[in-house]
Amino acid sequence: DIQMTQSPSSLSASVGDRVTITCRASQSISTYLNWYQQKPGKAPKLLLYAASSLQSGVPSRFSGSGSGTDFTLTVSSLQPEDFATYYCQQSYSTTWTFGQGTKVEIK
Amino acid sequence: QVQLQESGPGLLKPSETLSLICDVSGFSISSGYYWGWIRQPPGKGLEWIGTMSQSGNSYYNPSLTGRITISLDTSKNQFSLKLTSVTAADTAVYYCAGQPHNTGWYKWFDPWGQGTLVTVSS
Repeated sequence: DIQMTQSPSSLSASVGDRVTITCRASQSISTYLNWYQQKPGKAPKLLLYAASSLQSGVPSRFSGSGSGTDFTLTVSSLQPEDFATYYCQQSYSTTWTFGQGTKVEIK
Repeated sequence: QVQLQESGPGLLKPSETLSLICDVSGFSISSGYYWGWIRQPPGKGLEWIGTMSQSGNSYYNPSLTGRITISLDTSKNQFSLKLTSVTAADTAVYYCAGQPHNTGWYKWFDPWGQGTLVTVSS
């Protein structure tokens, strides 16, 4: 299986901060990488697919980059509704796997 | 738009079989999409369980192969998950989700159901 490792596991930030989350794959996955946001008690929500394509309806302050093994999710200016847990997920292999999650908390 | 809703027993005893159904509305499951299940133990991360394509090809998590079956019921526009011989480790919120079928290897999970908690306890 392809292992996905996110860093950090958690972070504290303030409204307006620029936040970056990293996702590393255990082997090259080209750009077969998706990002999700999950709030407590809710299903995950797709934010970006194919590493950098913004899902319809997702604010443009979210962006993604990377290819191969290293990827980043960036929130350009953190808003109160962005405090949540973020997951990456690879689709290079049909054994689809998620990262362990990064919790973004209020400082 | 496409909407998914999980249903099934919320409490099972060890060794029983977990059976969940995902009702799909707003789209015919035989027309496209792959249909999958993901679970999340309390306080933990997401684990993909398995997926079935609209054409009947199945993909299962190797850690669960032998215990899981996913099937489509086009007459009811729903798909199902069966997980045998459950233990406390199978306690989780179970989500059903759609995956795009015409995007090559680019497969993401969207939309999602709201999730249903299944607890395994004696």
